[in-house]
Amino acid sequence: RKEVEQDPGPFNVPEGATVAFNCTYSNSASQSFFWYRQDCRKEPKLLMSVYSSGNEDGRFTAQLNRASQYISLLIRDSKLSDSATYLCVVNKNDYKLSFGAGTTVTVRA
Amino acid sequence: EAGVAQSPRYKIIEKRQSVAFWCNPISGHATLYWYQQILGQGPKLLIQFQNNGVVDDSQLPKDRFSAERLKGVDSTLKIQPAKLEDSAVYLCASSLSPRDTAFFGQGTRLTVV
Repeated sequence: RKEVEQDPGPFNVPEGATVAFNCTYSNSASQSFFWYRQDCRKEPKLLMSVYSSGNEDGRFTAQLNRASQYISLLIRDSKLSDSATYLCVVNKNDYKLSFGAGTTVTVRA
Repeated sequence: EAGVAQSPRYKIIEKRQSVAFWCNPISGHATLYWYQQILGQGPKLLIQFQNNGVVDDSQLPKDRFSAERLKGVDSTLKIQPAKLEDSAVYLCASSLSPRDTAFFGQGTRLTVV
């Protein structure tokens, strides 16, 4: 089983729509969780950290479910500029980052 | 604040040749990572340094890849000899500590022909 698994998508959504996707992780002792965004042919950039209580940053909401070992990302009111690959990142208990393969989101006009 | 600097941005070499990549992390960042990202996949950790010590190199193909961070600042990653399957983007990232957010450089896109 992979350490971090994501639905690769692609998720094709119209502008203004809500899109949500999950990421599962295998190590129950994982300490911290992040969503990174990667645009085509660019480096990954931190979108947001994921906290136990869930957190919001503008149109983006991240949730953590430790019991089921998954994190989620929800994007409300999608913009064309949200088109990207979203990478789930898990910091294991030995503080080594593991990346998922990414979920591709395409927002269409 | 200056970000993670990498060079070169692009490199094309023939198989069996050698190549080296350079990374200058954000000032003060003790943790440095080298990742390999093949098209369509997520980044795969090759090696992680804490200052000038290696924390994890379990996925580094040591018969052909080597990396060093002699003074705990800059780092180089070398491939010798290169294979076709080494074609990928090599990303360097750094963080204050392993618990902190990692910031990435723009990467080096390697094509082996």
